[in-house]
Amino acid sequence: DIQMTQSPSSLSASVGDRVTITCQASQDITNFLNWYQQKPGKAPKLLVYDASNLETGVPSRFSGSGSGTDFTFTITSLQPEDIATYYCQQFDYLPYTFGQGTKLEI
Amino acid sequence: EMLLVESGGGLVKPGGSLRLSCITSGFTFSSYSMSWVRQAPGKGLEWVSSISSSGGQIYYADSMQGRITISRDNAKNVLSLHMNSLRAEDTAVYYCARDVGETMVHGVFDYWGQGTRVTVSS
Repeated sequence: DIQMTQSPSSLSASVGDRVTITCQASQDITNFLNWYQQKPGKAPKLLVYDASNLETGVPSRFSGSGSGTDFTFTITSLQPEDIATYYCQQFDYLPYTFGQGTKLEI
Repeated sequence: EMLLVESGGGLVKPGGSLRLSCITSGFTFSSYSMSWVRQAPGKGLEWVSSISSSGGQIYYADSMQGRITISRDNAKNVLSLHMNSLRAEDTAVYYCARDVGETMVHGVFDYWGQGTRVTVSS
């Protein structure tokens, strides 16, 4: 199975900060990577697919980049409503695997 | 409005069975692959199973292979997950999710239900 390693596991930031989360795959997954946001008690929400494509309706302060084994998710100006846990997920190979999550706090 | 509503969760004893359902509306169910993803208490997300739009492609996670059966009824817009021989480690919230893939499973989950909680305990 492909292992997805996110860093950091938790992050404390202030409103307006630029926030960056990294995700490393245990082998080359080209750009077959998604990012999800999960707020407490809620279902995950797709934010970015194919490593860098923003899902429709997602604010432009969110972005993703990377290819191969190293990927980055960025929030350019953190808002209070961005408090959540963020997960990367590879879909190049079955079984689909998720990172362990990054809990973002303000 | 796109809706995915799971049901069927509950408390079950180790070794028991459950059938989860996901009733969908607001999109052409028969045109999309569907998946189940679970989340153990306080833990991350784990993919469980996927099925293509026609049901011709089915995939299972090794952790549940042989104990689960995914199916769909395209006439009723319902996705199901039948689980047998349940273990304590299967305790989780089970989410159904729409896959952007149509004829083939793709692995991008663009809409999710709110989940149904399964607790395996004696």
